[in-house]
Amino acid sequence: RKEVEQDPGPFNVPEGATVAFNCTYSNSASQSFFWYRQDCRKEPKLLMSVYSSGNEDGRFTAQLNRASQYISLLIRDSKLSDSATYLCVVNPWLTGGGNKLTFGTGTQLKVEL
Amino acid sequence: NAGVTQTPKFQVLKTGQSMTLQCAQDMNHNSMYWYRQDPGMGLRLIYYSASEGTTDKGEVPNGYNVSRLNKREFSLRLESAAPSQTSVYFCASSSSRTGVFYEQYFGPGTRLTVT
Repeated sequence: RKEVEQDPGPFNVPEGATVAFNCTYSNSASQSFFWYRQDCRKEPKLLMSVYSSGNEDGRFTAQLNRASQYISLLIRDSKLSDSATYLCVVNPWLTGGGNKLTFGTGTQLKVEL
Repeated sequence: NAGVTQTPKFQVLKTGQSMTLQCAQDMNHNSMYWYRQDPGMGLRLIYYSASEGTTDKGEVPNGYNVSRLNKREFSLRLESAAPSQTSVYFCASSSSRTGVFYEQYFGPGTRLTVT
């Protein structure tokens, strides 16, 4: 079983739609969780951290369910500029210096007119 | 600030050739990382350096060596390139403190093809 699993998509949605991605992780001791965004042929960039209580940043909402070991990302009112690959990222432990991240393979989103 | 820079952007090697990928950051970060990204595999950690003077193996270190030249620079060397090392290589850096997560900032990547 992969440490971090995501549906690869692609998710094709019309502009203005709401879309949700899920991600599951296998290490129950994982400490920190994130969503990164990666545009085609570009480097990954941090989109948002995921907190146990859930957190929102504008049109984006992230949720964590530790009992079921999954993380979700909800995008409301999708824009064309949201088209990208969304990477689920887990920090298995907080080491003494240097944070080793485990990346999912990504979910591709295409927002269409 | 340039952030994280990588050279070269593209490279084609023949099997058995060697090369060094260069990475530099100007954010005064302690920790630096090298990843490779392959279709369907996600980003995988090759080596990392938690602080200047230290390096450690990641998930896929075989066939690679690294050097943390100073706080700014972290290079990745392929001694004898193989077609299986065809990939996109990303360097990243972050601050670090025990028990605290800091965002990793990525460079633009190096696209390497080994024929």
